[in-house]
Amino acid sequence: ETGVTQSPTHLIKTRGQQVTLRCSSQSGHNTVSWYQQALGQGPQFIFQYYREEENGRGNFPPRFSGLQFPNYSSELNVNALELDDSALYLCASSRDDRVAYGYTFGSGTRLTVV
Amino acid sequence: AQSVTQLGSHVSVSEGALVLLRCNYSSSVPPYLFWYVQYPNQGLQLLLKYTTGATLVKGINGFEAEFKKSETSFHLTKPSAHMSDAAEYFCAVSEQNQGGKLIFGQGTELSVKP
Repeated sequence: ETGVTQSPTHLIKTRGQQVTLRCSSQSGHNTVSWYQQALGQGPQFIFQYYREEENGRGNFPPRFSGLQFPNYSSELNVNALELDDSALYLCASSRDDRVAYGYTFGSGTRLTVV
Repeated sequence: AQSVTQLGSHVSVSEGALVLLRCNYSSSVPPYLFWYVQYPNQGLQLLLKYTTGATLVKGINGFEAEFKKSETSFHLTKPSAHMSDAAEYFCAVSEQNQGGKLIFGQGTELSVKP
């Protein structure tokens, strides 16, 4: 079975621009979560999608938004980029929205905002 | 509010020595607990998890952890360190019905000396 794949792997954007990051879930998984991992920190929960609906959100402003598609792939959109948005963005998928099942993480997208 | 504290941002052991990575959590309800490992420039890999049942949990690569409710701890151990164990380790906590939100600790970097 395929794992979680994310694209692109690296990205450089200018402050104020918008960015879209993409994630393909592991086969058979219907739940996707997104995390932001700043350098030297643990990942922070942004939001989760279950069957195309957002069902959990962390302490991130509305300029962080997402989508989940019928094939359970997902996008993370960030508007009005700020320097502090520079981080590794991780996507994780699960076969259900119950956290007990555990999550499979992708290798991440490294976003640099200059 | 839930939180995770990992004691020691850096731990160094000799090859063949015991590995002990400490994790304490705060949660108002019985938690789900996880340990993840992150190798350089990669995503997170699940080592083991505690949800219910036996408090001693065995994971991959010879790691295990014990859930101690009275001490609010979930320390990770491995009897004999291998060079390939050098990585960043993250402890995480979650609750049921939290929309998949994992709260991660700051991480512990494990170095293994030959």
